[in-house]
Amino acid sequence: QSALTQPPSASGSPGQSVTISCTGTSSDVGGYNYVSWYQQYPGKAPKLIISDVSKRPSGVPDRFSGSKSGNTASLTVSGLQAEDEADYYCSSYAGNNKYVFGSGTKVTVL
Amino acid sequence: EVQLVESGGGLVKPGESLRLSCSASGIIISNAWMNWVRQAPGKGPEWVGLIKSRSNGGTIDYAAPVKGRFSISRDDSKNTLYLQMNSLKSEDTAVYFCVTESSGAFHIWGQGTMVTVSS
Repeated sequence: QSALTQPPSASGSPGQSVTISCTGTSSDVGGYNYVSWYQQYPGKAPKLIISDVSKRPSGVPDRFSGSKSGNTASLTVSGLQAEDEADYYCSSYAGNNKYVFGSGTKVTVL
Repeated sequence: EVQLVESGGGLVKPGESLRLSCSASGIIISNAWMNWVRQAPGKGPEWVGLIKSRSNGGTIDYAAPVKGRFSISRDDSKNTLYLQMNSLKSEDTAVYFCVTESSGAFHIWGQGTMVTVSS
């Protein structure tokens, strides 16, 4: 199972929006509405910020939103804040009790 | 509050074995889908395997790179999840996380335990 493809980096100024893509195949992203997104700070465990393509767990700011079209999912961070500077990973169910993660995107707040 | 605490990591030589533990509180792991996810230095997370809840038959499954070498189990009396890793390779070097999963998303993560495989 190959990793999902994400751009290595993305950036924006405070208050701007940044969108991160996550491209898979019809066997994972395109085949199931089980795409999730994680935020990770250096030395820390990933934190779930989006599940089921677009659902925000309790406590996650509504600045974070998710969507999917075909084999590509997207995470949008609106109204960028300094604390949004982190690594972001997508993940998808891939059938047959298997899961796959993305390659990761480092978001820089300029 | 759910807490997952991994232990058992360390430095081992290629071909050796290691058993990781994940002690849970605030959750009954036999009622949950429990996973192991690893993250090599500077890389993204990689799903390792899962054990489904008792009500879902306790099905166990593994990622291809570890199938046949790694084994997941749990001790319900201790509310602890295990990952037995045999025939370790250098490419198994990573931080190993114990994680709860629901609806295809990994919700609660432990702090991780580092495994280094090197001669």
